[in-house]
Order: sequence, then C-alpha cells, then structure tokens
Amino acid sequence: AQSVAQPEDQVNVAEGNPLTVKCTYSVSGNPYLFWYVQYPNRGLQFLLKYITGDNLVKGSYGFEAEFNKSQTSFHLKKPSALVSDSALYFCAVRDTNAGKSTFGDGTTLTVKP
Amino acid sequence: DAMVIQNPRYQVTQFGKPVTLSCSQTLNHNVMYWYQQKSSQAPKLLFHYYDKDFNNEADTPDNFQSRRPNTSFCFLDIRSPGLGDAAMYLCATSILDRTYEQYFGPGTRLTVT
Repeated sequence: AQSVAQPEDQVNVAEGNPLTVKCTYSVSGNPYLFWYVQYPNRGLQFLLKYITGDNLVKGSYGFEAEFNKSQTSFHLKKPSALVSDSALYFCAVRDTNAGKSTFGDGTTLTVKP
Repeated sequence: DAMVIQNPRYQVTQFGKPVTLSCSQTLNHNVMYWYQQKSSQAPKLLFHYYDKDFNNEADTPDNFQSRRPNTSFCFLDIRSPGLGDAAMYLCATSILDRTYEQYFGPGTRLTVT
C-alpha cells in the first residue's frame, strides 16, 4: 500500500522569504514522487518529480524538492517566494508496483507582499 | 500547444438529470483518468483507461460511467446526479510509464440544483 501525508493545511510566508511545503510518504517498493500546483478553478499542473538519482530535484518556476529516503520525505522548497506562488500544492506518490498515484490532501500556500 | 481540454468548464444540471462531461487530448497519451475533487481536497480517482482497457476504482459509485471511443476523447457520464455529486471533475492523461507525470485539464465544475 502507498500513502502520502502533507502535515500542514496552510503555509504562510512573506514575499522574498524562503518557503517549504512538507510531504512524507509510505510505499512498499521504490517511490516515484511528484509535486503539482493548482490555482483557483484550474486543473493541477506538474511542477517536478523524483524518480532516481540526485536527491535534489529542480522544477518549474524556481521550485525544487529534496528527496530524503531515511526520513521518507520529499519537501518542496523555493529560495525566494513570490506572491504569484500563492496556490494549492499537492504531493503525490507512486510505488514501483502501483497502477496509480496517491495524492496528499494538499497545502495552501499564501505569500504575502 | 499539446493539451488536455475539458468541456464545458461549468455545468449546471438538475437533481436526477443525466449529464455528460467531455475530455479531449492532443498529447496522444494512452492513459486517461477521471478524478473528482471537492472543496480543494485531494483529487479522488474515479476510473482510468490504459488505451481501451477500463479500470474502475472499487469505491466509484455505479452512478458514474465512462466511455473512451478513441485515443483522443473520454467521457464521464453521471446517470442520476445527486447533490453530493457537485464537484470539480478533472481529466488527466499520461503515458504508460509509472515514472511519468500526469497532465491535467482545467476541470469542469458541476453544480446540481
């Protein structure tokens, strides 16, 4: 079985400050990990993924995420937040043996000017 | 640009009146998904197709049906909508590779009166 947890419903940061959105996962095999962003009344948009290799993954719009196998985490980060980053962020995991992805409950990021 | 298109973006139907939502894609992906999303919660997978191979989730109500007449198009039929079916419905596509991300359409927001 696979599962993913986003422990924070809401993250608030000031523009220009670094941001972190947390994600932890549980899988029986090797994990494939994804981050998606959703703006109001829109579909989800792919940001980045970890499949194998370098633990630090870089994605769209200056976002990056760090895979930590020992802590089973895949936190999303950005060095300097923008107001336009305000959105709903979903972490998703897919086990190597799974036929589908499991999404976290989402974290609402609010960046204030 | 290659993309996933959903029509209509907003749909209002009456309680018990059948409704069909449509999805088309120009990505030529062989996997298509239908998700239900309520109130900024995690998307809930209803069913998916690997080419024409239909895969229904165990907890998807019988009220929900789907058709995929060809690679490009997929339809979600709700035979007798109830008030609890009001939600955002998201279509997504992917290639048949567990490492591959999903591409989402903009969604159809369904209102049941």
